[in-house]
Amino acid sequence: KQEVTQIPAALSVPEGENLVLNCSFTDSAIYNLQWFRQDPGKGLTSLLLIQSSQREQTSGRLNASLDKSSGRSTLYIAASQPGDSATYLCAGFNFGNEKLTFGTGTRLTIIP
Amino acid sequence: DAGITQSPRHKVTETGTPVTLRCHQTENHRYMYWYRQDPGHGLRLIHYSYGVKDTDKGEVSDGYSVSRSKTEDFLLTLESATSSQTSVYFCAILAGGLSTDTQYFGPGTRLTVL
Repeated sequence: KQEVTQIPAALSVPEGENLVLNCSFTDSAIYNLQWFRQDPGKGLTSLLLIQSSQREQTSGRLNASLDKSSGRSTLYIAASQPGDSATYLCAGFNFGNEKLTFGTGTRLTIIP
Repeated sequence: DAGITQSPRHKVTETGTPVTLRCHQTENHRYMYWYRQDPGHGLRLIHYSYGVKDTDKGEVSDGYSVSRSKTEDFLLTLESATSSQTSVYFCAILAGGLSTDTQYFGPGTRLTVL
C-alpha cells in the first residue's frame, strides 16, 4: 500500500527566498506524481505532474523533481511571494489502479 | 476547473438522516472520485467510478454508497449520517492522456452532522 509523507507540516519563509517542499513515498511503482495547491476553504489546484519516466517538470517559478529510486519528490519555489501562501499537497498515482494517494500537506506561509 | 461543480456547497444535517451529495462534470470524463478531507488525515478516497454504473470502494467507504447513472453525474450518499462523517467532501475527475493523467477537483462540500 502506497504511503505518502510530507514534512514539515508547516513552513514560514520570508518573502523573496527560494524554498523546497518535500514529499516521500513508499512504493516506487509510481505512475506519476502530482503537486497540488490548496487555498483555505477552497478546492485543490493542480500545479505540476511528473510522469514516472521524467525527472522534473517546470512551470514558471515552480520546479518539481521525482526520484523514484529514493522515493522522493521535491517542489522548488523560486523567489517566493506572499501569494504563494497556501497548503501544498503531493499525491502519487500507482500502476495497477487509477487512484491517487495523498500526503497530508505542507502549510506554507510567506512573510512579507 | 475542468467543468466540475458540487452541490450543495454547504449542508448541516442531523445524525441519522440520509444525505446525498452531487458531483457534476461537463466534459465526459470517464473516471470520477469522491474524497473526504479531515485535519491530520489529508484527502482520503471514499469511492470512485470508472464508467456509468461501474464503481469501486476506496479506503474509507464504510457508511457511504455511490451511484453513477450518467457520465456527467456521480452521487455520494450517506445512508444514515453520523457525526464522524462531518468533513469536507471533494469530487474529482481524471483527465489527460495515458501517461499524463491529472486529477482536477471540484470546489468541495462542507458537511456538518449534528
